[in-house]
Amino acid sequence: AQSVAQPEDQVNVAEGNPLTVKCTYSVSGNPYLFWYVQYPNRGLQFLLKYITGDNLVKGSYGFEAEFNKSQTSFHLKKPSALVSDSALYFCAVKTYKYIFGTGTRLKVLA
Amino acid sequence: DGGITQSPKYLFRKEGQNVTLSCEQNLNHDAMYWYRQDPGQGLRLIYYSQIVNDFQKGDIAEGYSVSREKKESFPLTVTSAQKNPTAFYLCASAEGQGLNQPQHFGDGTRLSIL
Repeated sequence: AQSVAQPEDQVNVAEGNPLTVKCTYSVSGNPYLFWYVQYPNRGLQFLLKYITGDNLVKGSYGFEAEFNKSQTSFHLKKPSALVSDSALYFCAVKTYKYIFGTGTRLKVLA
Repeated sequence: DGGITQSPKYLFRKEGQNVTLSCEQNLNHDAMYWYRQDPGQGLRLIYYSQIVNDFQKGDIAEGYSVSREKKESFPLTVTSAQKNPTAFYLCASAEGQGLNQPQHFGDGTRLSIL
């Protein structure tokens, strides 16, 4: 079965520190991978995607993600966290449909 | 500005009542989707449509119905058969048939039981 896992319900990080939000996937064939962010009572906003090519993908708001085929992972990273980055983050994989992870709540502490 | 508009933002349903959630997009996207979001469960796909006058059931279609009579509109009806409708409903669209394009989301409708 095809699936996406976000192993952490919540990640806390101090402002200015680097952050990582983890995502692993299980799909047959080459995956199309996405990260989205959701603020309270809003829809999801697209951050970045991996289709093919470089394993390090750069996206919006200073976020980037590293694709690792051998570990079937697509972790979201940012070198220096901001308080305004606090939100709910979703990893997704696209096959014939989108499959979303259960989300990771990021809290950046001032 | 192009985007997806969902209305209403809040909706209350009485016992035995059908309610319809509106989703309109002006992005000229072919593919449209409805998701249900419950705390701790991520997004679950209800229905999707890749072209006008065609739609497919998602993972949790029971108790819901949709139509796609126009490219820009994809309304969702929550019927009385859906016994636990309280949730946050999100509509999304994607270019082409959404092969490797990101989805664009509306700001959701929160449905509650009266």
